[in-house]
Amino acid sequence: DAGVIQSPRHEVTEMGQEVTLRCKPISGHNSLFWYRQTMMRGLELLIYFNNNVPIDDSGMPEDRFSAKMPNASFSTLKIQPSEPRDSAVYFCASSPPLQPQHFGDGTRLSIL
Amino acid sequence: GESVGLHLPTLSVQEGDNSIINCAYSNSASDYFIWYKQESGKGPQFIIDIRSNMDKRQGQRVTVLLNKTVKHLSLQIAATQPGDSAVYFCAEILYNTDKLIFGTGTRLQVFP
Repeated sequence: DAGVIQSPRHEVTEMGQEVTLRCKPISGHNSLFWYRQTMMRGLELLIYFNNNVPIDDSGMPEDRFSAKMPNASFSTLKIQPSEPRDSAVYFCASSPPLQPQHFGDGTRLSIL
Repeated sequence: GESVGLHLPTLSVQEGDNSIINCAYSNSASDYFIWYKQESGKGPQFIIDIRSNMDKRQGQRVTVLLNKTVKHLSLQIAATQPGDSAVYFCAEILYNTDKLIFGTGTRLQVFP
């Protein structure tokens, strides 16, 4: 079975540019999560969705970050405008109800 | 990819020995706990989980112990192999939520 699929795997862009990260969850999983991982802060939950509806976005750093889930098989995390401090590895995860989350291999984002 | 903070605890073990990785969790309302393994350049991978109504759970070569009195979780790996080298995270889920809260992680190094 295909796992969680994230794209792109790597993104390098200049500050001020818009960045869009994409995620395809595992089919049948009704919860989707976006995380950010940095050396200084570890793994942080940014936002999560249940049945395509955002449930908790308290981890989203600021208004420059937004996430959408237009359908059960696709989600995006957008940063506009991007800043160097946004550089991190961004992970998407999905899970069935009350079951462990399965993670993608992440997008390594570098903002110059 | 980078997994953890600058001051990541490291456990070094010899191949074939048993490993014990410890974790203190923060919230007494957490009722579900998961251990993840993260290899370089990959997302966290589920290893084993345990719910708060249990004290011990065993998998293949791995055992998780839960002590709710002192809010402590441990992961035991039997006959540690070079392929076990990775960063290990414990994670807790608050009761009646889907929010995973990750610990800072422990790096396991296996030497021959």
